[in-house]
Amino acid sequence: IAGITQAPTSQILAAGRRMTLRCTQDMRHNAMYWYRQDLGLGLRLIHYSNTAGTTGKGEVPDGYSVSRANTDDFPLTLASAVPSQTSVYFCASSVTVNTEAFFGQGTRLTVV
Amino acid sequence: GDSVTQMEGPVTLSEEACLTINCTYTATGYPSLFWYVQYPGEGLQLLLKATKADDKGSNKGFEATYRKETTSFHLEKGSVQVSDSAVYFCALPDNAGGTSYGKLTFGQGTILTVHP
Repeated sequence: IAGITQAPTSQILAAGRRMTLRCTQDMRHNAMYWYRQDLGLGLRLIHYSNTAGTTGKGEVPDGYSVSRANTDDFPLTLASAVPSQTSVYFCASSVTVNTEAFFGQGTRLTVV
Repeated sequence: GDSVTQMEGPVTLSEEACLTINCTYTATGYPSLFWYVQYPGEGLQLLLKATKADDKGSNKGFEATYRKETTSFHLEKGSVQVSDSAVYFCALPDNAGGTSYGKLTFGQGTILTVHP
């Protein structure tokens, strides 16, 4: 079934370690996004990409970086993980402006 | 900027009860409006949408009408089921018509629990 695939589904990570969360979509959507979901705070946008080769900062970008080398892949990297980055991370994509986004199943990350 | 204010939760109902989850928004222009649902342990799924004023989105017995005059998009269902237990999010594309390509602004989410 077409959609968005995230990996890993869950991870326990030692503080200070580097980690890349993977996201791949097969819908040929132009735009992709990374959100984090925390209890009581809803979903907050980390980074986004309008098209391959471009990225932008969202609401909470500090400590995270992204790249968009091609249409399908949008990895999120934590350079040096901290406990406050414990969260559930969702990748999403959309065709274009003013259209709905499609979400992956999420990555549950625990930083200890 | 654009924003969404969603009914505070949680909401607990008995099966077959009526449901309303309130959502109001502030936006430039007239963006599309969405309701997403998140079942336990899963990602968000689009439940329904409306693309212009007075449109009614519907799916799985849920409905929501795009009310421009009250800037609202309330979610309703006449008879809820246990399987409707989930978290519901109201959302709109931020800066629609600009260069943001539809990144979404979400409400805080409403936890719905339906008991048999």
